[in-house]
Amino acid sequence: ETGVTQTPRHLVMGMTNKKSLKCEQHLGHNAMYWYKQSAKKPLELMFVYSLEERVENNSVPSRFSPECPNSSHLFLHLHTLQPEDSALYLCASSQDWGRVREKLFFGSGTQLSVL
Amino acid sequence: GDSVTQMEGPVTLSEEAFLTINCTYTATGYPSLFWYVQYPGEGLQLLLKATKADDKGSNKGFEATYRKETTSFHLEKGSVQVSDSAVYFCALSDRGNNDMRFGAGTRLTVKP
Repeated sequence: ETGVTQTPRHLVMGMTNKKSLKCEQHLGHNAMYWYKQSAKKPLELMFVYSLEERVENNSVPSRFSPECPNSSHLFLHLHTLQPEDSALYLCASSQDWGRVREKLFFGSGTQLSVL
Repeated sequence: GDSVTQMEGPVTLSEEAFLTINCTYTATGYPSLFWYVQYPGEGLQLLLKATKADDKGSNKGFEATYRKETTSFHLEKGSVQVSDSAVYFCALSDRGNNDMRFGAGTRLTVKP
C-alpha cells in the first residue's frame, strides 16, 4: 500500500462515452501527477498539479480533462476517446512540485480499454 | 531534452542467475537517477536512487552506480529470485525539469 488509491482498476468504454478516473492520496503531499503507460514506450507525463493548481500540461489532447478539487484528490475526465488512448493510467504524488529529486508515490493504475 | 534509454526486454533468467539491466541517460545538468519497479497489477515503487556521480544506490540486493563518464546507471543483482519478476524502469530528474523522465521499462521474468 503506497498511500495512493486509484479507481476503477479497469475500465472499458466506447468512443462516445464519458467517464472519470479518480485518484486519492493520504500522504499529505502537495503535488499530484497523471502519467500514461503504454506498452514499450516511456511513461508519459500528462498533467501536474501543485497545491491544486495545474502547473504542467504536456500537450495532452483536450479529450482528457484533469480536475484537482483539493490537495488529496485528482480526477481525469475522459470523453470521445480514441482506441489509441487505451493504456494504463497512473496517478502519482510527491511532497512538493519542483523537488522531484524526492521520490514519487504511485497508485496501482486504471487499465483503460477504448473500443 | 533529457531522456533515458534502457535495454529492451523481455529478460528471462533462471533463479540465482546474475542480472544486469542497462540504462543510459542524456541530461544537460546534474540529474538524480532512479530505478523503479512495477510488480504485476501494481503501480511503480522506488527501488533505489543515486543523487550524484559515483554514488551507489542499493536495496533488496539490487545495486546501481551513477557513472557520469559513461552516463550510465545499470541495475545489477547477484542472484535473482522468482519474486523479482517485474518491470523495471530507469528514471532521472534534473534541476531544469520539474518532472521525472522514465525509460520504457524492462520486463524481467525469473523461472524456478
